[in-house]
Amino acid sequence: DAGVIQSPRHEVTEMGQEVTLRCKPISGHNSLFWYRQTMMRGLELLIYFNNNVPIDDSGMPEDRFSAKMPNASFSTLKIQPSEPRDSAVYFCASTIAGSANTIYFGEGSWLTVV
Amino acid sequence: AQSVAQPEDQVKVAEGNPLTVKCTYSVSGNPYLFWYVQYPNRGLQFLLKYITGDNLVKGSYGFEAEFNKSQTSFHLKKPSALVSDSALYFCAVRTYYGNNRLAFGKGNQVVVIP
Repeated sequence: DAGVIQSPRHEVTEMGQEVTLRCKPISGHNSLFWYRQTMMRGLELLIYFNNNVPIDDSGMPEDRFSAKMPNASFSTLKIQPSEPRDSAVYFCASTIAGSANTIYFGEGSWLTVV
Repeated sequence: AQSVAQPEDQVKVAEGNPLTVKCTYSVSGNPYLFWYVQYPNRGLQFLLKYITGDNLVKGSYGFEAEFNKSQTSFHLKKPSALVSDSALYFCAVRTYYGNNRLAFGKGNQVVVIP
């Protein structure tokens, strides 16, 4: 079975450029999460969706970050404009809504902003 | 608010020896507890979870974890560690009332010495 699919796997971009990260959740899953991982801050939840609706975006760092889920099989995380401090690994994860259900992670998008 | 503590930064163990990675949690209500493993340059992989029932939970790769309600702990164990178990291990907790959020600990780096 296909897991959570993220693209690109690696991206190097210049400060000020727009970055778009993409995610395809596991088929049948109706909750989707975006996490960011850095050495300093560990794993941070940025935003999550239930049934394509953003439920909690309190972890989104600032207005430069935005996330959308136009349908059940696709989500994007956009950073505009990007800054060097945005360099991190961004993970998308999905599950069937319900606290006892396992959340499954993608392989991550490794972003470097120079 | 729900939270998880992983008190040790690094756990070193010789190959063949027992491995224990510690986790304590704080929640309101009954916890759902999870362990994930992250190998270098990879996403988080689900190992095991406790929802209800038997306090000893068995998971992937020979790992198990014991839920202890009185000590609010969920330590991960493996009877005989392998060099290939060297990775970053995350404990996480959700609750029925947790609004679907999965709260992660900071992670423990496990180093298995040949």
